[in-house]
Amino acid sequence: GDSVTQMEGPVTLSEEAFLTINCTYTATGYPSLFWYVQYPGEGLQLLLKATKADDKGSNKGFEATYRKETTSFHLEKGSVQVSDSAVYFCALIIQGAQKLVFGQGTRLTINP
Amino acid sequence: SQTIHQWPATLVQPVGSPLSLECTVEGTSNPNLYWYRQAAGRGLQLLFYSVGIGQISSEVPQNLSASRPQDRQFILSSKKLLLSDSGFYLCAWSVKGTLVYFGPGTRLTVL
Repeated sequence: GDSVTQMEGPVTLSEEAFLTINCTYTATGYPSLFWYVQYPGEGLQLLLKATKADDKGSNKGFEATYRKETTSFHLEKGSVQVSDSAVYFCALIIQGAQKLVFGQGTRLTINP
Repeated sequence: SQTIHQWPATLVQPVGSPLSLECTVEGTSNPNLYWYRQAAGRGLQLLFYSVGIGQISSEVPQNLSASRPQDRQFILSSKKLLLSDSGFYLCAWSVKGTLVYFGPGTRLTVL
């Protein structure tokens, strides 16, 4: 079946550090890929997306590239801020399917 | 523009009491609707989804049920809450396999 695997958390970094959160997927069809972010006490917000191979999604300094050859969609940011502390979810949806499949989430804490 | 509402925002209920959480979507027609649960410190679990009025698919057998009485209304219910039902409940919508948008969530504590 379709699934998403994220790197285990929690991840703790210092402000201005480089961030990578790994995400790999398995899919029976041709998926669109997403990163969602959940700030403390809130619902999920779409952070970025990519709908085909080699697409790069970007938003708020975050980037992720859809790599079909490695079935990956790793999230990166060059210089994190305290305000980036949140839980990050990688997800996929197969074209024409009805369900969004999530990874288990990665909790990120940025220390000043 | 589309918006999604959930209520209540927080709820504290005793074990064995009934539950009704409501979700409504504005600004779109015939959306897919979803209920997810997030237990403390854990990921998202898809509970139910609906592709149309009266059409409910259950992902995980449990103490909960869902109903869709109107196109843009999705209700999560229980007849008797368990301690394990505590969590953060998120309603979401999408237009047929595209982006999924989430509501603000309901934090349920069962005591």
